[in-house]
Amino acid sequence: QVQLQQWGAGLLKPSETLSLTCAVNGGSFSGYHWSWIRQPPGKGLEWIGEIDHSGYTNYNPSLESRVTITVDTSKNQFSLKLSSLTAADTAVYYCTRVRWLTKTHDYWGQGTLITVSS
Amino acid sequence: DIQMTQSPSSLSASVGDTVTITCRASQSMNNYLNWYQQKAGEAPKLLIYSASTLQSGVPSRFSGRRSGTDFILTISSLQPEDFAAYYCQQTYLTPWTFGQGTKVEIK
Repeated sequence: QVQLQQWGAGLLKPSETLSLTCAVNGGSFSGYHWSWIRQPPGKGLEWIGEIDHSGYTNYNPSLESRVTITVDTSKNQFSLKLSSLTAADTAVYYCTRVRWLTKTHDYWGQGTLITVSS
Repeated sequence: DIQMTQSPSSLSASVGDTVTITCRASQSMNNYLNWYQQKAGEAPKLLIYSASTLQSGVPSRFSGRRSGTDFILTISSLQPEDFAAYYCQQTYLTPWTFGQGTKVEIK
């Protein structure tokens, strides 16, 4: 059974950098892409970006200047950094597995609430 | 970016009803259209991909179809566990984009 376990600091100040890591247990790591999605409280979903096992990334242009997604294949982990935070970045952040053949997010992490407040 | 306009934003229905949710793409696209269900406090769950293919383990009362740039999710014989939010997502072009969501509530 595939499980995605994510963690990271939940309360940050404006201008700080968000850092989240997602560990993948079960299943192949190199055979999939991996992505981050966020959801502001009470609102819809926004795709942040994705990475494959070789480190090739694809980012949402709306966030591209502030986002970095990296992968550590030795640990079956991938990470998200989002810099220059503002209150608008307050959201639940999810890591997901992407089944590339169908371009679907078929497994999700539990979500991490990130609050940006002074 | 491809805009996905989802309607309605909310609906009230009773157990046993059939409900329909529509997502309209802002431009022509292929069948890379997914549907997700999200219950309160949980991560979304994949229901349907490629517009009409049921994800493994999803009940057959869920179905999807395409009509031009409209993508339709139908839930037949609504069950108590189906009251949730539903989102469409296009993965035809990056950035992948979601509809605004539809909240299905108990009447």
